[in-house]
Amino acid sequence: GDSVTQMEGPVTLSEEAFLTINCTYTATGYPSLFWYVQYPGEGLQLLLKATKADDKGSNKGFEATYRKETTSFHLEKGSVQVSDSAVYFCALGIGNEKLTFGTGTRLTIIP
Amino acid sequence: GAVVSQHPSRVICKSGTSVKIECRSLDFQATTMFWYRQFPKQSLMLMATSNEGSKATYEQGVEKDKFLINHASLTLSTLTVTSAHPEDSSFYICSARVTSGGGQIFGPGTRLTVL
Repeated sequence: GDSVTQMEGPVTLSEEAFLTINCTYTATGYPSLFWYVQYPGEGLQLLLKATKADDKGSNKGFEATYRKETTSFHLEKGSVQVSDSAVYFCALGIGNEKLTFGTGTRLTIIP
Repeated sequence: GAVVSQHPSRVICKSGTSVKIECRSLDFQATTMFWYRQFPKQSLMLMATSNEGSKATYEQGVEKDKFLINHASLTLSTLTVTSAHPEDSSFYICSARVTSGGGQIFGPGTRLTVL
């Protein structure tokens, strides 16, 4: 079945550091890929998405490229801020079917 | 942009009572909504898929008589936790399917505490 494997946390970085959170997937079809962010006590917010191979999703300084050859969708940001502290979920969806989530990565940025 | 709201955001109830959680799509119609449960520091677990005007589809291991889902209109789905017990305490999140480009829009979640 479809699955998402996500870098285990927690991840702690200093402000302005470079961030990478790894995400790989297995899917029988042609999935869309997503990164969601969850701030404490809140629901999930869509951070970025890519719907086909080689697409790059970007938002708020975060980027992720859909790599079909490595079945990956790694999340990156060049310079993190304290406000980026949250839990990040990688997910895949095929067509309009339900989403399959990774386990989440807790990110803490220290000033 | 499209927004999904949930009500209440937080509820505390006594064991044995029933609790209803509402999930609304604001300014758009949602023919399909999803209900998730999230335990502390864990990922989301899909409970059921709610389709407007039809019965919900439950995931394996989820008791449909325990977690009643009603999707009576294109903007409202409700989850009722019947005869709640302390082990039902959790964070419940709903979402609405996005028709273009895939993905889902999530509500802010409801924290249920059963005493």
